[in-house]
Amino acid sequence: AQKVTQAQTEISVVEKEDVTLDCVYETRDTTYYLFWYKQPPSGELVFLIRRNSFDEQNEISGRYSWNFQKSTSSFNFTITASQVVDSAVYFCALTSSGSARQLTFGSGTQLTVLP
Amino acid sequence: GAGVSQTPSNKVTEKGKYVELRCDPISGHTALYWYRQSLGQGPEFLIYFQGTGAADDSGLPNDRFFAVRPEGSVSTLKIQRTERGDSAVYLCASSSQVPGELFFGEGSRLTVL
Repeated sequence: AQKVTQAQTEISVVEKEDVTLDCVYETRDTTYYLFWYKQPPSGELVFLIRRNSFDEQNEISGRYSWNFQKSTSSFNFTITASQVVDSAVYFCALTSSGSARQLTFGSGTQLTVLP
Repeated sequence: GAGVSQTPSNKVTEKGKYVELRCDPISGHTALYWYRQSLGQGPEFLIYFQGTGAADDSGLPNDRFFAVRPEGSVSTLKIQRTERGDSAVYLCASSSQVPGELFFGEGSRLTVL
């Protein structure tokens, strides 16, 4: 069985603040993939990143960065200098070699960026 | 458009009725997924197609739910004898590789009265 936990249900920050969204995962498989998706108010899930279990290098894409730590089974997402347009629900997700291609999502973190 | 298209965007039905939800994936994507999202929750996996066949239907909650993809493109999710607990947003996604980036549609919001 696999599981994704996003303990932060809601986060509110003021524009230009940095914010980190936490994600902790559980899986028995040694080969797995982690994802982050953004769901704006329109409802359509937007892919942000995919990482495989063999690549622990942190990644930066503009104002977004991801910290993958296998030792703590975490894949945290940081937004630097947040903007109002970053307001959305963010989901962390996991699929593994034993999950038959199912993507297991966490319950999501509602991020509100205030002007 | 070039994205995943789902129809209807909204469906209101009465308990006990039959409903069909349609998904038109991105052209050329062989993998197609159905997910269900309840309010305040993450999407839950229902079924995965690779081509025309259902490669994994372990997420379908019971035998009232069924999905087809007869020509390897458009898929239809069918729900018989709807119950109020079936109310949710049904999301479709497609992908050109597995595991890969899933492209989601905007979903079909089903309300069972």
